[in-house]
Amino acid sequence: DAGITQSPRYKITETGRQVTLMCHQTWSHSYMFWYRQDLGHGLRLIYYSAAADITDKGEVPDGYVVSRSKTENFPLTLESATRSQTSVYFCASSEREWNQPQHFGDGTRLSIL
Amino acid sequence: GQQVMQIPQYQHVQEGEDFTTYCNSSTTLSNIQWYKQRPGGHPVFLIQLVKSGEVKKQKRLTFQFGEAKKNSSLHITATQTTDVGTYFCAGPAGGTSYGKLTFGQGTILTVHP
Repeated sequence: DAGITQSPRYKITETGRQVTLMCHQTWSHSYMFWYRQDLGHGLRLIYYSAAADITDKGEVPDGYVVSRSKTENFPLTLESATRSQTSVYFCASSEREWNQPQHFGDGTRLSIL
Repeated sequence: GQQVMQIPQYQHVQEGEDFTTYCNSSTTLSNIQWYKQRPGGHPVFLIQLVKSGEVKKQKRLTFQFGEAKKNSSLHITATQTTDVGTYFCAGPAGGTSYGKLTFGQGTILTVHP
């Protein structure tokens, strides 16, 4: 039961490059989320999506782009990577009903040199 | 905006000692969720509290939701090395939430054998 899968698990890239992090879920959850996790900051919401073709900014959206053409996929793109975007990125999903828990992927560890 | 604060940020205990982490919200919450993240892993949902004054137990873990629904605590009795990790509380984000959560910064627990 893969549930929610992120790829790649690890990525090293250079400043200025474009990089896309993939997220795929098999539960048909309506809601999907992207977080970044940095020491001392906990989990910070980058973007979220309520359904296919519905996305909105979270707490720290600058420098990131998302799309959701299909319910199961929610890719996150760094258009021009900067060192400050070095982080661990988690994708999560939850059911549409009220007060549902979020289910997280294994994360992508991204280093930008 | 809504803030969820957790203390302490770090806690080091000897195996067998008890551990408590506290969560405080700037606003009244409809519910609070707790997650555990093992080192190198991803956050995993533990439990949700909904009612004012609610207390729930999971083996050695006791979760409480305050009477005013603005604070919560997680208490672990007789810690074990398997309890190591970061514990997060999270409450629904304000406004049109679409399942969004505001996470506390987490408490990192280390257990010395």
